[in-house]
Amino acid sequence: AQSVTQLDSQVPVFEEAPVELRCNYSSSVSVYLFWYVQYPNQGLQLLLKYLSGSTLVKGINGFEAEFNKSQTSFHLRKPSVHISDTAEYFCAVSPGGGADGLTFGKGTHLIIQP
Amino acid sequence: DTGVSQNPRHKITKRGQNVTFRCDPISEHNRLYWYRQTLGQGPEFLTYFQNEAQLEKSRLLSDRFSAERPKGSFSTLEIQRTEQGDSAMYLCASIRSGGAYEQYFGPGTRLTVT
Repeated sequence: AQSVTQLDSQVPVFEEAPVELRCNYSSSVSVYLFWYVQYPNQGLQLLLKYLSGSTLVKGINGFEAEFNKSQTSFHLRKPSVHISDTAEYFCAVSPGGGADGLTFGKGTHLIIQP
Repeated sequence: DTGVSQNPRHKITKRGQNVTFRCDPISEHNRLYWYRQTLGQGPEFLTYFQNEAQLEKSRLLSDRFSAERPKGSFSTLEIQRTEQGDSAMYLCASIRSGGAYEQYFGPGTRLTVT
């Protein structure tokens, strides 16, 4: 079984400042890793994913994440946030086969302050 | 719009009533997933289909819940004898077999049991 821990339930940051949202996972098998964003009253949208290869993955809207196997982490970063980035962010894992349901963290609410 | 659609978007029902939700996946996607999301939590996997076959069910899916996907197209999720604890957002996602493992999510159906 897998589990995901998002260490911060809420992260306030000023506009144009950098941000890091933390995600740690636990699994007895190799996993695929994902970050999803959920805007108010909308479904989840994929920001980026790690399947294999380079540990630094780039996604949409200027986000990137780094897979660290030894620390079992997959932290999400953006060098300069915009007010439109205000949303709920979810880290998720799937066993390496990719077909199974995703296991999500509880989410981090990113609050951008002007 | 070729995304995942869900109907209804909102459902208010009285405790003890039965409810049914529908999900229409992206047309070429043969895998379909159901998740439940309660307030302040990440989505929790319920079940998934490959074509018309239901391949996995979570322990969260009690015997009051049943899902179907006749003909491998749209899917329905029925909850019998609803309880207040069933109040949640029910999310549907789909993926193309052999694809890049990105699950595309619908907007969800918000169920309120009074």
